[in-house]
Amino acid sequence: NAGVTQTPKFRVLKTGQSMTLLCAQDMNHEYMYWYRQDPGMGLRLIHYSVGEGTTAKGEVPDGYNVSRLKKQNFLLGLESAAPSQTSVYFCASSYEDSSYGYTFGSGTRLTVV
Amino acid sequence: GENVEQHPSTLSVQEGDSAVIKCTYSDSASNYFPWYKQELGKGPQLIIDIRSNVGEKKDQRIAVTLNKTAKHFSLHITETQPEDSAVYFCAANDVRFGAGTRLTVKP
Repeated sequence: NAGVTQTPKFRVLKTGQSMTLLCAQDMNHEYMYWYRQDPGMGLRLIHYSVGEGTTAKGEVPDGYNVSRLKKQNFLLGLESAAPSQTSVYFCASSYEDSSYGYTFGSGTRLTVV
Repeated sequence: GENVEQHPSTLSVQEGDSAVIKCTYSDSASNYFPWYKQELGKGPQLIIDIRSNVGEKKDQRIAVTLNKTAKHFSLHITETQPEDSAVYFCAANDVRFGAGTRLTVKP
């Protein structure tokens, strides 16, 4: 049982480049989330999804887009990367809603130069 | 929206001592309070949680207490071991996380 799998684990982008981070879960969870983690700022919610075909903005959505075409996958896109998007990105999933605890992936470390 | 404050930001204890991390929340409607442990290079892992209808919950060496009136909850780790060294996060309804506490247990 893999849980939540994130790819890639590391990536370096040049300013203005685009990329997509992939999150896959095999627990049949309805809810999925994307967080970014920066030193001293904890985890901040970027976007989330309450089910296949749905997405919603979190606390820091600017500069990111997401899609949930399949229940098990949640994609995070950066259309034009900026140095301020240098961070560690975590995907998480939960059974029904946010009151059931999250299962996190192992993270993607993104550097934008 | 919910705001969660966590203290202290760093905590260093001697092996065998107890460690306490405290969090306060702002939304009185919050009803679920999880704690996560994040080891270096890994994602956070849920270690214990408590719901608003319970005042205390224990799981071996870790416990969580909740004071709904004061809107604060705490993580207690007893008989600390070096492998307890990590960053700990609290959350309210999972949506908003505290900034984290780096716990170091010295052998």
